[in-house]
Amino acid sequence: KQEVTQIPAALSVPEGENLVLNCSFTDSAIYNLQWFRQDPGKGLTSLLLIQSSQREQTSGRLNASLDKSSGRSTLYIAASQPGDSATYLCAAALMDSSYKLIFGSGTRLLVRP
Amino acid sequence: NAGVTQTPKFQVLKTGQSMTLQCAQDMNHEYMSWYRQDPGMGLRLIHYSVGAGITDQGEVPNGYNVSRSTTEDFPLRLLSAAPSQTSVYFCASRGDRNSPLHFGNGTRLTVT
Repeated sequence: KQEVTQIPAALSVPEGENLVLNCSFTDSAIYNLQWFRQDPGKGLTSLLLIQSSQREQTSGRLNASLDKSSGRSTLYIAASQPGDSATYLCAAALMDSSYKLIFGSGTRLLVRP
Repeated sequence: NAGVTQTPKFQVLKTGQSMTLQCAQDMNHEYMSWYRQDPGMGLRLIHYSVGAGITDQGEVPNGYNVSRSTTEDFPLRLLSAAPSQTSVYFCASRGDRNSPLHFGNGTRLTVT
């Protein structure tokens, strides 16, 4: 059974710092992996989607990498800002049922001014 | 472009009552799904649909029914509410398996 883990559960950093959020999955047979942002009381917003054949995706200050062999994905946030404060979740789509996403519990990020 | 719209935003039910959570999307997406989000447990898939007339169970389907009569709408029915169904419910849609998932803003349900 695929399990997705995100460590740490919470992270507090000063503004301007570069940071890395981690996502690990137990089964390397994934179809793709997606990173989301969730603000309090809101739904999830898709940030980056990495297909299984890709190694990384970039959008602005965000860069997500995927290493299937080690069962890991990372989300790199450059020059963090207070507006980046939110919960970040990763989700793996299963190869044998790619419409089903397995979510991690998220990392709650606080960027201090 | 409204995206994924969920109603109501908040709901309180008594044990044993039934209700329907509404979800509509205007992006002509074939795939729609329902998740529940509970503290410390992440999001768990309840039911999903890959097109009108086609539905399937996710990880936690018991106590919930769905139907998909149109591409736009995917309602979630609670048959007989239980306190264990207290949660935040999210509807999501995507165009195909290579596209990102779009979420609604959720329905916060409390069952007393």
